[in-house]
Amino acid sequence: AQTVTQSQPEMSVQEAETVTLSCTYDTSESDYYLFWYKQPPSRQMILVIRQEAYKQQNATENRFSVNFQKAAKSFSLKISDSQLGDAAMYFCAYRRGYDMRFGAGTRLTVKP
Amino acid sequence: DAGVIQSPRHEVTEMGQEVTLRCKPISGHDYLFWYRQTMMRGLELLIYFNNNVPIDDSGMPEDRFSAKMPNASFSTLKIQPSEPRDSAVYFCASSHDRPENSPLHFGNGTRLTVT
Repeated sequence: AQTVTQSQPEMSVQEAETVTLSCTYDTSESDYYLFWYKQPPSRQMILVIRQEAYKQQNATENRFSVNFQKAAKSFSLKISDSQLGDAAMYFCAYRRGYDMRFGAGTRLTVKP
Repeated sequence: DAGVIQSPRHEVTEMGQEVTLRCKPISGHDYLFWYRQTMMRGLELLIYFNNNVPIDDSGMPEDRFSAKMPNASFSTLKIQPSEPRDSAVYFCASSHDRPENSPLHFGNGTRLTVT
């Protein structure tokens, strides 16, 4: 079974600084998709960024970017110029077919 | 687009009572998913539907749990009888056809507390 591991239960960053959240996954497949979701205190799950495994180029969305290392099965999220509104739980997710597996999450605190 | 709509936002009930959670997916989405989130187990997939038909319910914890999708715009998750260990946040999500490359769009969840 595919598993997703987020080894950092909590992280903190100073406002305007950069932070990287780690994620590793286990799979024997070559074709799959990876996602980062943000869950603020409002509880809503918000898609931050996604990466197709067949693409070598790392995905970027404004201040959010990923470092996708397929051979190492690593998928980290970098948040640049951190803002107070970035404070949330961040979940890494793996998807192949119709099943999506989530990591346990990393709680990000942004200090003013 | 109003997004995925779930109701109620909070539900408090006593052990043994029947609980029904409701979901309206995004119009045009062919897939609907029910997830449960707890501190201990994180996000777990319970069941998903394609074109209103249940495809995989292997994540449904017990026979006390049932889900239906009578039409493309409405789904329910029912727990009967409810138990304190069912306390969790239940999310509904929907996606376009070919969800393997389409992100899930989540509702705001229903926080269920069973006393």
